[in-house]
Amino acid sequence: NAGVMQNPRHLVRRRGQEARLRCSPMKGHSHVYWYRQLPEEGLKFMVYLQKENIIDESGMPKERFSAEFPKEGPSILRIQQVVRGDSAAYFCASSLNPGLLTDTQYFGPGTRLTVL
Amino acid sequence: AQRVTQPEKLLSVFKGAPVELKCNYSYSGSPELFWYVQYSRQRLQLLLRHISRESIKGFTADLNKGETSFHLKKPFAQEEDSAMYYCALGSNAGNMLTFGGGTRLMVKP
Repeated sequence: NAGVMQNPRHLVRRRGQEARLRCSPMKGHSHVYWYRQLPEEGLKFMVYLQKENIIDESGMPKERFSAEFPKEGPSILRIQQVVRGDSAAYFCASSLNPGLLTDTQYFGPGTRLTVL
Repeated sequence: AQRVTQPEKLLSVFKGAPVELKCNYSYSGSPELFWYVQYSRQRLQLLLRHISRESIKGFTADLNKGETSFHLKKPFAQEEDSAMYYCALGSNAGNMLTFGGGTRLMVKP
C-alpha cells in the first residue's frame, strides 16, 4: 500500500492562473480531507469529501476554491485565479471510517504551491 | 469554536533529558486529542491518541480536562526524536482535525 499520494509535489503558478492539486487516498479509503498550511503556521482544515459528495466545506474560502472527489479517480482541489496569498503547502489525508473512534487520518506528502 | 495552542515553537533539549511538549485546547464538547509527528523529509503521521492511552516510542500524553491540556512527555529524549510535533483536536464527528501551530523538538547529542 503506497499510502496517500499527492501530485504534483511542487507547483508554481503566476497570479491569475489556475492550480489543480490531486490526491489519491489509501486503498480502500473513501474519505478524503484537505488541509492548508501557511508558512510558520499549523495545518488548517479546508474540506472533507466522501466519494462524489462534499460533506464539510466549512474551511474552504468562499471564492476561487473548489474540491471534488469523483467516483473514479483522485480527489482534486482546484484554485482559480491564484493570488500570492495562496502560496502554501496543501495536504491531503484519507481515512477508512470516521465514525469509529479508532479511525486514523493518513496524510500525503503535500503539494507546495508557489504563486509568483 | 475549536482551538489548539502549542505555546512553544521550538524546544531544544540534550539527549537523555526529559521532554514535555505543551498543548492546550478549547472545545465545548468531549474532546478527541491526537499528537502527530513529522520527521525530516517524511510525511505527517499519527504518534498517539488520547483514547488509546498507550505509549508510543516512549512518549505518553494524558488528557487533563480540568486544565484543558494534552501535553506530550518522554522521560529520556533521543536524537531520533527530533521532529515537528503537532497537537490536534478532533470534531464530534471525527472528520475535521484542528491543529496547533506545531513545536519543533531538537534533541542535541
